[in-house]
Amino acid sequence: SQQGEEDPQALSIQEGENATMNCSYKTSINNLQWYRQNSGRGLVHLILIRSNEREKHSGRLRVTLDTSKKSSSLLITASRAADTASYFCVSTGANNLFFGTGTRLTVIP
Amino acid sequence: SQTIHQWPATLVQPVGSPLSLECTVEGTSNPNLYWYRQAAGRGLQLLFYSVGIGQISSEVPQNLSASRPQDRQFILSSKKLLLSDSGFYLCAWTVGGRLDTQYFGPGTRLTVL
Repeated sequence: SQQGEEDPQALSIQEGENATMNCSYKTSINNLQWYRQNSGRGLVHLILIRSNEREKHSGRLRVTLDTSKKSSSLLITASRAADTASYFCVSTGANNLFFGTGTRLTVIP
Repeated sequence: SQTIHQWPATLVQPVGSPLSLECTVEGTSNPNLYWYRQAAGRGLQLLFYSVGIGQISSEVPQNLSASRPQDRQFILSSKKLLLSDSGFYLCAWTVGGRLDTQYFGPGTRLTVL
């Protein structure tokens, strides 16, 4: 399968802590995107990192990309209860895109 | 601003019954449109995508079909539902091609009994 895989599958942290989610993919990519999905809702785009970029920030989000290891990480700093959701990475190749299976993040108030 | 709507939000249908899910986009012209299915606790599987009126590409063979009768309307259908059709159906659109940032609708939860 060319789908990406997130690690861990589930993560539970206390409010205020940082949350790190990892994503691995199998083919060469043009870019990699992270999406968030609240339970029973549609996905919301968070951030896109291009294959020639190594790190990108957006508010409390920090994304890194290591193309040599075919992996990416999403860091959420100073987590809040409202960050509770599933997070998906989407690897985008030349002709296709692949959704990972997601990390379920629970932030405990 | 652009918005995307899906209805119904939830649907419970018996096996063998027909299906029609609708997706509409507002605030943009000639969007690329997509139907995805998400099984419980899983990632998304692309079912269909459309680059224009009447143009449908199917990603996987299945019991479903799609149509695009208008520029901003995308419909997912089935003549006879199977139990395996249960899932969360998401419509999405992009400005450019399928590799662009996807903007998702709120989804339809389909349960086939």
